[in-house]
Amino acid sequence: NAGVTQTPKFRVLKTGQSMTLLCAQDMNHEYMYWYRQDPGMGLRLIHYSVGEGTTAKGEVPDGYNVSRLKKQNFLLGLESAAPSQTSVYFCASSYDHFANTEAFFGQGTRLTVV
Amino acid sequence: AQSVAQPEDQVNVAEGNPLTVKCTYSVSGNPYLFWYVQYPNRGLQFLLKYITGDNLVKGSYGFEAEFNKSQTSFHLKKPSALVSDSALYFCAVREPGAGSYQLTFGKGTKLSVIP
Repeated sequence: NAGVTQTPKFRVLKTGQSMTLLCAQDMNHEYMYWYRQDPGMGLRLIHYSVGEGTTAKGEVPDGYNVSRLKKQNFLLGLESAAPSQTSVYFCASSYDHFANTEAFFGQGTRLTVV
Repeated sequence: AQSVAQPEDQVNVAEGNPLTVKCTYSVSGNPYLFWYVQYPNRGLQFLLKYITGDNLVKGSYGFEAEFNKSQTSFHLKKPSALVSDSALYFCAVREPGAGSYQLTFGKGTKLSVIP
């Protein structure tokens, strides 16, 4: 049981380049989330999904797009990377939409935009 | 809007001593509260949660947390700290209800246990 898997684990981009981060979960969870973690800022929600085919904006969605074509996968895209998007990105998933179950996190993707 | 505050960026404690990591929250209604731990270069791991019932919640690795509604706090505690407890700790809150999807995190508290 792999849980939540993120690929890649590390990436360096040049300003203006694009990339997609992949998150896969094998727990049949309905809810999936993308967070970014910056020093002194904690975790901030970028986008989330409440089920296959649905996405919604979180706290800091600008510059990112997401897609949930399959229940087990949640993709985060950067169309034109900027240095301000240098961060560690975490994907998470959870089962219960009544907000009383914990989220499971991936290992993170460390992205540097130069 | 829901929010979480962790007033201490860093907590230092000697091995064997009790530890406390503080958390206060703000929500409309009764909160669902969580503690997560992050070890270096790892994702977050769930420690414990408060949903309802007993105000003292016990979790993984000997940690516990006390929910105090009047003080809107959910402090994390452990009776005897281990060096291996050194990590980054996050408090998080969700509002109850079917329409609540967002888990809001505090900024984190770095715990250092000194041998």
